[in-house]
Amino acid sequence: QKEVEQNSGPLSVPEGAIASLNCTYSDRGSQSFFWYRQYSGKSPELIMFIYSNGDKEDGRFTAQLNKASQYVSLLIRDSQPSDSATYLCAVTAGNKLTFGGGTRVLVKP
Amino acid sequence: DAGVIQSPRHEVTEMGQEVTLRCKPISGHDYLFWYRQTMMRGLELLIYFNNNVPIDDSGMPEDRFSAKMPNASFSTLKIQPSEPRDSAVYFCASSPSGGQPQHFGDGTRLSIL
Repeated sequence: QKEVEQNSGPLSVPEGAIASLNCTYSDRGSQSFFWYRQYSGKSPELIMFIYSNGDKEDGRFTAQLNKASQYVSLLIRDSQPSDSATYLCAVTAGNKLTFGGGTRVLVKP
Repeated sequence: DAGVIQSPRHEVTEMGQEVTLRCKPISGHDYLFWYRQTMMRGLELLIYFNNNVPIDDSGMPEDRFSAKMPNASFSTLKIQPSEPRDSAVYFCASSPSGGQPQHFGDGTRLSIL
């Protein structure tokens, strides 16, 4: 079993709709949770981080964390074609970051 | 502020050659991480340093791989001898402290023929 699991997609979303991405992790000691966006041929770019249970909003992005269920999600509101990318969930226990395999999102105009 | 700087951006070399990848972390960041990304295995942590000291190298695939951090502003990842299966994108990342967001360099795309 992978430590951090994501649906590989592609997740196809109409422009203007909400994209919902999910991530589960296996280590209950995980402390910090991150979402990175990676365009094809580019490096991962941090878009959100969350440390406590609940929701955290930043612009069109909302991260949700439920430690009891070992579940973290990312919502992208008003999806734009420029949001088409692979979204990587990452989880830390201590100082090490473990990445999921990523979910490919495709926003169609 | 300059981000994490990696060089070279692309490297093509023949099997058996030595390859050296370089990284300059963000100034003031105490942690430096080396990752490898492939289609098959995704993004994998190879090794990380804290204050120039290697802390965890359990992700280094074999003895052909070595990494050093002689000072706070420079790190190298060396592969000797290189093999075709080492072909991947290698990323360097840094963070201010443990558990904080990591910032990635542009990566080195390595092809071993």
